[in-house]
Amino acid sequence: QVQLQESGPGLVKPSETLSLTCTVSGGSISSGSYYWSWIRQPAGKGLEWIGRIYTSGSTNYNPSLKSRVTISVDTSKNQFSLKLSSVTAADTAVYYCARRDTRTDAFDIWGQGTMVTVSS
Amino acid sequence: QSALTQPASVSGSPGQSITISCTGTSSDVGSYNAVSWYQHHPGKAPKVMIYEGSKRPSGVSNRFSGSKSGNTASLTISGLQAEDEADYYCCSYAGSSTFWVFGGGTKLTVL
Repeated sequence: QVQLQESGPGLVKPSETLSLTCTVSGGSISSGSYYWSWIRQPAGKGLEWIGRIYTSGSTNYNPSLKSRVTISVDTSKNQFSLKLSSVTAADTAVYYCARRDTRTDAFDIWGQGTMVTVSS
Repeated sequence: QSALTQPASVSGSPGQSITISCTGTSSDVGSYNAVSWYQHHPGKAPKVMIYEGSKRPSGVSNRFSGSKSGNTASLTISGLQAEDEADYYCCSYAGSSTFWVFGGGTKLTVL
C-alpha cells in the first residue's frame, strides 16, 4: 500500500526558504497514472493547492504562489520536494503531500501533514 | 477566504442524514465533472470519500453520496455514525490556470 510522508524543518525564519520533502513508500513515484502535489492548510482555514509535478519533471503551480514555489522530483529516491521562498507568517500552515490519480481526478493518497511555522 | 463555500458546521444525531453543500462558480464546480470530497480526522491523513461528483472509491461506505446542481455540489451522509464526526472538504478542478480549488471545510458533529 502506497504511503506518503512529509519531512522537513518545523520552523523557518521570515524571508527564508521553506523546504519540505515527501517520501513515497510502497510503490514507485514513476508510475504513469499519477501527479504528485503539495497542499497546505493555515490554522483555522481551508485547504490550498500549492502545485504539482509529474515524474517527467513537468510542473504546474497555484498562480497566487507561482513566483515563490519550486517543486522537484527525485525518482532515484522516490521523493518529491517543495521549496517556497521569501516566506512570511502567512505561510505558516500544515503542509501535505498528496497523490492525484489521473483516472479519478482525486487526491487519493495523502501524507499526515507537517506543521511549518514561520517565525524569527 | 476559500474559493469554494461550505457551511462552517453541521450536526446530526446517529442514524440521521445530513447534507453538506459546496458552492463554487461557473469556472469550477459548474464547468467540470471533477468535484471530490475528503474526510479529515485531525492529525490524520485526509481520505477521499467521493470523486467525479458522485463516485465512491472502493472501501467507502455507501452511506456517503455526492451530487451536483449547477455551481453547487453536495455531500450526503446517511445513517450517521459516531465515526463520521470529522472535517469535510470539497475540491473542484478549476481549469488549466488555477487547477484545483478547495472549500473552507465543514465540521460535522454527531450529537
